[in-house]
Amino acid sequence: AQTVTQSQPEMSVQEAETVTLSCTYDTSESDYYLFWYKQPPSRQMILVIRQEAYKQQNATENRFSVNFQKAAKSFSLKISDSQLGDAAMYFCAYRSSRGTDKLIFGTGTRLQVFP
Amino acid sequence: GAVVSQHPSRVICKSGTSVKIECRSLDFQATTMFWYRQFPKQSLMLMATSNEGSKATYEQGVEKDKFLINHASLTLSTLTVTSAHPEDSSFYICSARRGAAYYGYTFGSGTRLTVV
Repeated sequence: AQTVTQSQPEMSVQEAETVTLSCTYDTSESDYYLFWYKQPPSRQMILVIRQEAYKQQNATENRFSVNFQKAAKSFSLKISDSQLGDAAMYFCAYRSSRGTDKLIFGTGTRLQVFP
Repeated sequence: GAVVSQHPSRVICKSGTSVKIECRSLDFQATTMFWYRQFPKQSLMLMATSNEGSKATYEQGVEKDKFLINHASLTLSTLTVTSAHPEDSSFYICSARRGAAYYGYTFGSGTRLTVV
């Protein structure tokens, strides 16, 4: 079975600085999807960025980018120019490309942003 | 963009009563919806996968008779917590996928259930 691990329960960053959140996963599949979701205090889950495993190029969305290392089964999220509004729980998630349609979430990383 | 509406956002009920939570996809059809439970400061735990027109698929350890799921149409799935007890108090979130898997999933805003 696939698993997703986020080894950093909490991280902090100063406003305008850069922070990287770690995520590793375990799978025997070669094709799958990876996601980062943000959950602010409102508890609304928001998609931050996504990556297809067959694509070698790292996904980017404005200030958010990933470092996808398929061989190492690593999918870290880099937030550049951090803003106060980035403070939230961040969840890494895995989805198989076949069979089950469900997302498998990591345990989350709480990000604090200091002014 | 894809919107999933979840109601109510908060509900308080007495122990022994049942509570229904609705999840609607507003601008797309969702043949599959997912129900999660989230404890404070923890991750989302998938409870069940709701399929339109068929029985829900429950995750191991989730009581089917306690958490009734109905997916009667392509835009509506409901979760009914039957004979609620204080230990059922939690945050419940639904989600649905629109289109290709690449596009991820859209989540409802969640329901805070408190059983007193």
